[in-house]
Order: sequence, then C-alpha cells, then structure tokens
Amino acid sequence: DIEMTQSPSSLSASVGDRVTITCRASQSITTYLNWYQQKPGKAPKLLIYGASTLQSGVPSRFSGGGSGTDFTLTITSVQPEDFATYFCQQSHRTVYTFGQGTKLEIK
Amino acid sequence: QVQLHQWGAGLLKPSETLSLSCALSGGSFRTYYWSWIRQPPGRGLEWLGEVSQGGGTKYKPSLLSRITMSIDTASNVFSLRLNSVTAADTAVYFCARGAASGTYSDYFDYWGQGSLVTVSS
Repeated sequence: DIEMTQSPSSLSASVGDRVTITCRASQSITTYLNWYQQKPGKAPKLLIYGASTLQSGVPSRFSGGGSGTDFTLTITSVQPEDFATYFCQQSHRTVYTFGQGTKLEIK
Repeated sequence: QVQLHQWGAGLLKPSETLSLSCALSGGSFRTYYWSWIRQPPGRGLEWLGEVSQGGGTKYKPSLLSRITMSIDTASNVFSLRLNSVTAADTAVYFCARGAASGTYSDYFDYWGQGSLVTVSS
C-alpha cells in the first residue's frame, strides 16, 4: 500500500494566520491527492481533489499544491470554523490510503 | 441534493457479523463507486472496499476473507458485511460516494453520517 505521511501532526494557529500542512506519499501518485476536513463527531468533508482543484462551495482561502510525492494544503487566513483535523488521501492506487491527520488548534 | 444515510447494529460480540447499509437519495448509482471507510476511535481513516453499480467490488486485501459488499439498485441501498469481528473492528464506519473518471474512485465527495460499531464481549 502507498503510505501517506502528514506533518505536522498538530498545529496551533491564531485567527488570521496563514498555515500550511504537508503530505508525503511513499511513491509517486502524480496528482491523485485529495484533502478532507473533519470536525469532531462528523464525517470528513472534501476540500480539494486532484491536488489543487477546490471542491464546489469550499472557501477560496483553501488551496492545494504539489505533485509526485510532496503536497501541501494552505489556508491563507484561518477562520474560527477552520479549526478541525485535516487528512490527505491518495487515489492513485487501490488500496486508497489516508494520512494520519493534522489537528489544527486555536493558539 | 445527494444524501447518504446509513444504519446497522452498533454493538456486536466477538465472532459476530457486522452488517451496515447505506441509502442513497437525490442521486444515481451510475458512474460512481460506493465505498466503506472506517475510523477507530481517535485514529485515522481506513478504506475497506468499494462496489460499483454493476456489483463489481474491490476490497482491501487484508480483509478479503471476511468482507462482502453488495448493491441493490432497485432500493438505492448498498451494504457492508464483515464476518468474525474482533475488538480491532471497533470503529465509526462511513459510507461514501467515489467520483470516478475511470475504473477507480478519484475522490470521496459525499459521506454518510457515520455509524459507531463496538465489538465487546
């Protein structure tokens, strides 16, 4: 299976900060990389697919980049509703695999 | 709009069979793949398998001996069965729609609300 590694595991930020989360794949996945946001007790929500395409309805402060093995999720100005856990996921090969998650907390 | 609503037994004893179903409303099974994903308490997400409209399946290899997924297009329901459960199968289980451009799910754009399944003697 392709292993997905996220960093950091947790991150503290203030409202208005710019934050970046990274995701590394154990082998090239071209741009088959997706990002999800999950809040406690809820299902994950798709934010970005194909490494950089914003899902409909997702605010433009979210952006994604990268290709091959290294990817980023950036929030340009963190809002109170953005404090959550973020997961990356590869869809290059079944078994689809997820990163371990990055918890964004309020500083 | 597309909605997925899931249900099933929440408390099982070791060796019993986990059975969950997921009903689709506001959309069609066509051109999508339908997955089950689980999340042990406080941990990450694990994809278990997917089923297509035609009933074709892909499973996580480590679960091959225990897992079955099926789809009933007439009732707009797809289902998961996992045999011989143990405490390691305790998790929140999600159903999800896989948007696909080919023979794989490219991303999961709609999810069910989640079902907590606890395996305990």
